[in-house]
Amino acid sequence: GQSLEQPSEVTAVEGAIVQINCTYQTSGFYGLSWYQQHDGGAPTFLSYNALDGLEETGRFSSFLSRSDSYGYLLLQELQMKDSASYFCAVREHSGYSTLTFGKGTMLLVSP
Amino acid sequence: DAGITQSPRHKVTETGTPVTLRCHQTENHRYMYWYRQDPGHGLRLIHYSYGVKDTDKGEVSDGYSVSRSKTEDFLLTLESATSSQTSVYFCAISESNPILAGEGNEQFFGPGTRLTVL
Repeated sequence: GQSLEQPSEVTAVEGAIVQINCTYQTSGFYGLSWYQQHDGGAPTFLSYNALDGLEETGRFSSFLSRSDSYGYLLLQELQMKDSASYFCAVREHSGYSTLTFGKGTMLLVSP
Repeated sequence: DAGITQSPRHKVTETGTPVTLRCHQTENHRYMYWYRQDPGHGLRLIHYSYGVKDTDKGEVSDGYSVSRSKTEDFLLTLESATSSQTSVYFCAISESNPILAGEGNEQFFGPGTRLTVL
């Protein structure tokens, strides 16, 4: 079956760096995405990795290791507004395909 | 922001009644999705559409049906609502052109519908 594992909750303080891990076990793998969701809001796309390595987008970076079936989202210079839930999602096939989402990690940033 | 609206935004209904949720997009995107979100379960795909009148089942499709008669509208119907279908329902869309979509097939989500079945 398919499964994506990520921690349920992570806490950190403003200005710190936090890493949210995601391990996956899926029938196919084409890429790993990350989405952010603030409480009561809609999920929004953050990043995507299809190849091994690090992708950087401002304060956020995402990493993928296909051989380890593992990825992470790295958030630097944390701000209070980063308090949200973060979901990893696997795209299982090339071309058009649906996404399978993890259960999400709630990040709490304190002053 | 992608032009996606969902209606109603909130609904309370009784067990056994039919319910239809509507998703409307102004982006002319080919693909549309319905998810439900429950505490501890993340986002789970109910049904999706890859074109007008072309739909397929997702992970949790039992008890739900969908229809897409126009590019811009994707309807989710609960034929006979049950308390286990109390949830927040999100619609999402994605572009078909891989160059425009990006390799990640980025999905854009609507604001959600909070459904309570008593």
